[in-house]
Amino acid sequence: SQKIEQNSEALNIQEGKTATLTCNYTNYSPAYLQWYRQDPGRGPVFLLLIRENEKEKRKERLKVTFDTTLKQSLFHITASQPADSATYLCALGGTGGFKTIFGAGTRLFVKA
Amino acid sequence: NAGVTQTPKFQVLKTGQSMTLQCAQDMNHEYMSWYRQDPGMGLRLIHYSVGAGITDQGEVPNGYNVSRSTTEDFPLRLLSAAPSQTSVYFCASSLRLGGPVAPKETQYFGPGTRLLVL
Repeated sequence: SQKIEQNSEALNIQEGKTATLTCNYTNYSPAYLQWYRQDPGRGPVFLLLIRENEKEKRKERLKVTFDTTLKQSLFHITASQPADSATYLCALGGTGGFKTIFGAGTRLFVKA
Repeated sequence: NAGVTQTPKFQVLKTGQSMTLQCAQDMNHEYMSWYRQDPGMGLRLIHYSVGAGITDQGEVPNGYNVSRSTTEDFPLRLLSAAPSQTSVYFCASSLRLGGPVAPKETQYFGPGTRLLVL
């Protein structure tokens, strides 16, 4: 069955460092991959989308890579800030925009 | 724009009771969907709709019904609540064609409804 794995352990880093989160998947050939941010008690918020023919996508301090051979995406937050503390969800999709498969998320804590 | 709104925010039900979770969006989005989120698990799709009058099942549809009579509203009905339906429920919407701000695959989520079934 299709499976998405994100590190279930929380990631703790110091302010100013680069946070790197991993998303691995199996038994799936996604057309695109998304990253969402979720704060406690709130709904997920879209951050970035990268398509299967793209290797890397950047937005301000965020960078996403997508390796379809390794079946892996890396999500980087450079110059991290305490305000970046949240849970980050990885989601894979095919041709239908609403039919996405979400990972369980990785909790990030950035210490001042 | 209010975006995606959900009511109620919290609800406690007894086993066997029925209720409707409300979801509305004011962005004229064609696509709407319902997810549930449980600890340690990703969001799981319950039902979705590609437009008014059209709905289909997602990954975990049992025990839930939906209808889409208007573009704006997409209520989720629990027919006979069970403890296994204790969860946080999210409604989401997206554009069929996308726009300059975000691609069409972007989903806009509501704030969620926390449901406890005793």
